[in-house]
Amino acid sequence: DGGITQSPKYLFRKEGQNVTLSCEQNLNHDAMYWYRQDPGQGLRLIYYSQIVNDFQKGDIAEGYSVSREKKESFPLTVTSAQKNPTAFYLCASSIPLALAGGSNEQFFGPGTRLTVL
Amino acid sequence: AQSVTQLGSHVSVSEGALVLLRCNYSSSVPPYLFWYVQYPNQGLQLLLKYTTGATLVKGINGFEAEFKKSETSFHLTKPSAHMSDAAEYFCAVTKARAGGYNKLIFGAGTRLAVHP
Repeated sequence: DGGITQSPKYLFRKEGQNVTLSCEQNLNHDAMYWYRQDPGQGLRLIYYSQIVNDFQKGDIAEGYSVSREKKESFPLTVTSAQKNPTAFYLCASSIPLALAGGSNEQFFGPGTRLTVL
Repeated sequence: AQSVTQLGSHVSVSEGALVLLRCNYSSSVPPYLFWYVQYPNQGLQLLLKYTTGATLVKGINGFEAEFKKSETSFHLTKPSAHMSDAAEYFCAVTKARAGGYNKLIFGAGTRLAVHP
């Protein structure tokens, strides 16, 4: 079955540590996204990538880094520079706008809950 | 700039009652509109979307929404609530523009509770 997988489901980090969240998709989608979700704030875009080896900052990129070496994979690193990293992180992907009729419908993974101890 | 406002962060209904979740958007260009549902500790699932054509859109699980350009609204409804509808619902908007990357803007979400 095609879909998006995120691992781990739960992650605990000590202050000052970098951690990497995994996101893999087998939907053959070109574009991938990382969102952060906090209670009462909806989803905020961290980074996005439209093609391999290219990515762009979203609205809250500070303290985060990404890579896009393969079409299927878009890992997110939460660095020690992120002052308040405790949140639910969601990865998403979408098909090219030309094929989707320009709708940018996004498909989401199950999420990773990160807690800083 | 585009924005989405969901009126009511929490909505509570009785089982069998009408569900109405409100969404208003701001967009200077024709919008594409979405409703997503999120169950606890899970990702988002698309309920329905409006791109072009018929303004009344039917989605999964008996939900539907109507695009009203004059009111800049895209409210989500379901005639009869079920206990399994309890979840958080997000309205989202993007620009109807060919080519390039169209940012998806989400509302803050509405948590729906369904009472027996």
